[in-house]
Amino acid sequence: GENVEQHPSTLSVQEGDSAVIKCTYSDSASNYFPWYKQELGKRPQLIIDIRSNVGEKKDQRIAVTLNKTAKHFSLHITETQPEDSAVYFCAASNPPFGKGTTLSVSS
Amino acid sequence: TAGITQAPTSQILAAGRSMTLRCTQDMRHNAMYWYRQDLGLGLRLIHYSNTAGTTGKGEVPDGYSVSRANTDDFPLTLASAVPSQTSVYFCASSAEGGLGGDTQYFGPGTRLTVL
Repeated sequence: GENVEQHPSTLSVQEGDSAVIKCTYSDSASNYFPWYKQELGKRPQLIIDIRSNVGEKKDQRIAVTLNKTAKHFSLHITETQPEDSAVYFCAASNPPFGKGTTLSVSS
Repeated sequence: TAGITQAPTSQILAAGRSMTLRCTQDMRHNAMYWYRQDLGLGLRLIHYSNTAGTTGKGEVPDGYSVSRANTDDFPLTLASAVPSQTSVYFCASSAEGGLGGDTQYFGPGTRLTVL
């Protein structure tokens, strides 16, 4: 079955810096790659996704890139703000999920 | 539209007792999922259902059972609870399941403590 690895497990940045979270997957048949954000005490919610026929997708300060050959995809957050502090999960198709990255943005 | 709901919000359960966690969605989604979330372990899939009448095992199915009698409901049953089942349980649904994948919508979660 599919296996998803996510790195780093924790990430601390200063407000205004960029943050990058990376995921790798094992099943070349996967063709849907979502990213979810989970704020403390809340449920996970989709923030951006990409399908395999697209290499990059942007939505304001967040972007996702996909390299199908290498089987990895990344979440990029620019100009980070304290409200970006949360746990971020990637997935390859649905499920499994990566184990999550705790992002802390300090002002 | 309620989306996806779970009940109860939280529960303290004595070890050895049984319990059913309820999950209902009103989005007419075909696929539904149950996850448990434990610190450092992320979201682990317990059971899933790609369509009404079918279920499948996830990564950590032992000690849990599910049923999918209709499109809307996907209850999770713990037959004889053990302390290691203390966790936060999330139900989710998506329009379609499988490798094609689709956005998952999560319920608010149930915090279960087994003593």
